[in-house]
Amino acid sequence: GDSVTQMEGPVTLSEEAFLTINCTYTATGYPSLFWYVQYPGEGLQLLLKATKADDKGSNKGFEATYRKETTSFHLEKGSVQVSDSAVYFCALSEDNTGNQFYFGTGTSLTVIP
Amino acid sequence: TAGITQAPTSQILAAGRSMTLRCTQDMRHNAMYWYRQDLGLGLRLIHYSNTAGTTGKGEVPDGYSVSRANTDDFPLTLASAVPSQTSVYFCASSEMGLPYNEQFFGPGTRLTVL
Repeated sequence: GDSVTQMEGPVTLSEEAFLTINCTYTATGYPSLFWYVQYPGEGLQLLLKATKADDKGSNKGFEATYRKETTSFHLEKGSVQVSDSAVYFCALSEDNTGNQFYFGTGTSLTVIP
Repeated sequence: TAGITQAPTSQILAAGRSMTLRCTQDMRHNAMYWYRQDLGLGLRLIHYSNTAGTTGKGEVPDGYSVSRANTDDFPLTLASAVPSQTSVYFCASSEMGLPYNEQFFGPGTRLTVL
């Protein structure tokens, strides 16, 4: 079945450091891939998405590239800020699953000044 | 726009009692979902509805029931709560039909069963 595996946290970085959060997936077809962010006390918000192989999603300085050959969708940001502290979820959706989403377990990021 | 609203924000419930978590969306999305979020387990799908009048079971449906009488509302009922149902519950919605349609989430309900 479909699944998403993302790197264990928590991750603690200093401000302006480079961020990578790894995400790999297993899917039977051709999924769309997403990164969601959850700020403290809030629901999840879409951060970025990619719908086909080699697509790059980007938003707020974050980027992720859909790599079909490695079944990966790693999240990167060149220079993190304190305001980026949140939990990040990788997710996939396939057209043969009734638009159901499969989420990773989440990676907690804390950025310190 | 309000998007998705959930009520209550938080609740403490005695084991064995019943409770309904409310969810309302104003985006006219045809699909709605209930997830529970537990530390180390991420989000797990409880039930979903692809359109008004239909529902389906997700990954962890036991102990929960849902109904979808109209497009906007998707209540989740715990008939007889148990401590393992202590969790944060999120309602979400999306426009069905395309796999790249994002899901929109409510703010969550924090439930503690004692």
